Amino acid sequence: GQNIDQPTEMTATEGAIVQINCTYQTSGFNGLFWYQQHAGEAPTFLSYNVLDGLEEKGRFSSFLSRSKGYSYLLLKELQMKDSASYLCAVMDSNYQLIWGAGTKLIIKP
Amino acid sequence: IAGITQAPTSQILAAGRRMTLRCTQDMRHNAMYWYRQDLGLGLRLIHYSNTAGTTGKGEVPDGYSVSRANTDDFPLTLASAVPSQTSVYFCASSQTSGVADTQYFGPGTRLTVL
Repeated sequence: GQNIDQPTEMTATEGAIVQINCTYQTSGFNGLFWYQQHAGEAPTFLSYNVLDGLEEKGRFSSFLSRSKGYSYLLLKELQMKDSASYLCAVMDSNYQLIWGAGTKLIIKP
Repeated sequence: IAGITQAPTSQILAAGRRMTLRCTQDMRHNAMYWYRQDLGLGLRLIHYSNTAGTTGKGEVPDGYSVSRANTDDFPLTLASAVPSQTSVYFCASSQTSGVADTQYFGPGTRLTVL
């Protein structure tokens, strides 16, 4: 079966760095997406990785290792507004997104 | 205003009733999707449409139907609602299907079936 695993909840301090991991087992791979979802709102796109390596976009970076079935989202200089759930999703061989349950990130002052 | 709109925002429904959730996008995207989101679970695909006039079944299609008469609209119908269909429903769209296009989401409909 297809499976996406990510931690349920993480806590970090304002101004610090946090890494949210995602491991996956899917039928085929056409890229990995990270979305941010604030409570009660829609998911919004953060990043997309299809090749191994690190993609940097401002305070957010995303890493992919296809051989290990592993990705992480790195958030630097954490701000209170980064408190949200972060969703990892893999596009499978049918170009459908398989979603993890999300990681709730709590930022403390 | 560019984007995706959904209606209603929330709804409480008696079991056995018929309900249609509306979704409209003005980005001229070809592909549209319906997901449900339940606590502790990832988003699950209900139905999708790669282009106007075509639809397909996702992971959890039972009890739901969709139509795609034109590019902009993609309504989701619950023929006879059951309590297990209590969920938050998100409509999404992407420029194309069959490639790794980013999906953009509507604000969601919170549905409670009693």
